[in-house]
Amino acid sequence: KAGVTQTPRYLIKTRGQQVTLSCSPISGHRSVSWYQQTPGQGLQFLFEYFSETQRNKGNFPGRFSGRQFSNSRSEMNVSTLELGDSALYLCASYDGTGDGELFFGEGSRLTVL
Amino acid sequence: GQSLEQPSEVTAVEGAIVQINCTYQTSGFYGLSWYQQHDGGAPTFLSYNALDGLEETGRFSSFLSRSDSYGYLLLQELQMKDSASYFCAVGNDYKLSFGAGTTVTVRA
Repeated sequence: KAGVTQTPRYLIKTRGQQVTLSCSPISGHRSVSWYQQTPGQGLQFLFEYFSETQRNKGNFPGRFSGRQFSNSRSEMNVSTLELGDSALYLCASYDGTGDGELFFGEGSRLTVL
Repeated sequence: GQSLEQPSEVTAVEGAIVQINCTYQTSGFYGLSWYQQHDGGAPTFLSYNALDGLEETGRFSSFLSRSDSYGYLLLQELQMKDSASYFCAVGNDYKLSFGAGTTVTVRA
């Protein structure tokens, strides 16, 4: 079974631009969550989608948004990029079994110049 | 909110045993999870404690005490490949709050 796939793996943007990141969860997993990882703040929850609905959102400004499609693939968008948005953005899929296991992708490493 | 504390670094030799403690402050959660991450790659799931007590998975064991707001990950028979960052996390099924991570360095 294929794992969680995130694209692109690396990208460089400049301040003020916007970026869209994509995540394909494991087949059959309907929950997709997004995390931001930085050296200073660690792993922080951004939001989670299930069956195209956002169920929960973390403490991030409105510049961070996401969506999920009917095939469970998810995208997140960051508008008006700031230097502090430079981070590894991780996507995780969950099978709903309650066993506590999230399956993470390799992440998209965003650098904002 | 939820906050978790774990040591920032641990160094040990091959074959040794390492215990990574995690203390937390939270108003409620389903369980305590542990993840391993190599060099900024994908975090991988190691263990999950929904109930108090010890869970054993091969060389790794994890413990939870809700009354003490405390848990730990035990790495036995350390191998070089165990050099990585280890994160404890609490939350519900998909929304986790992570500790800052413990960097484990295994020396020959």
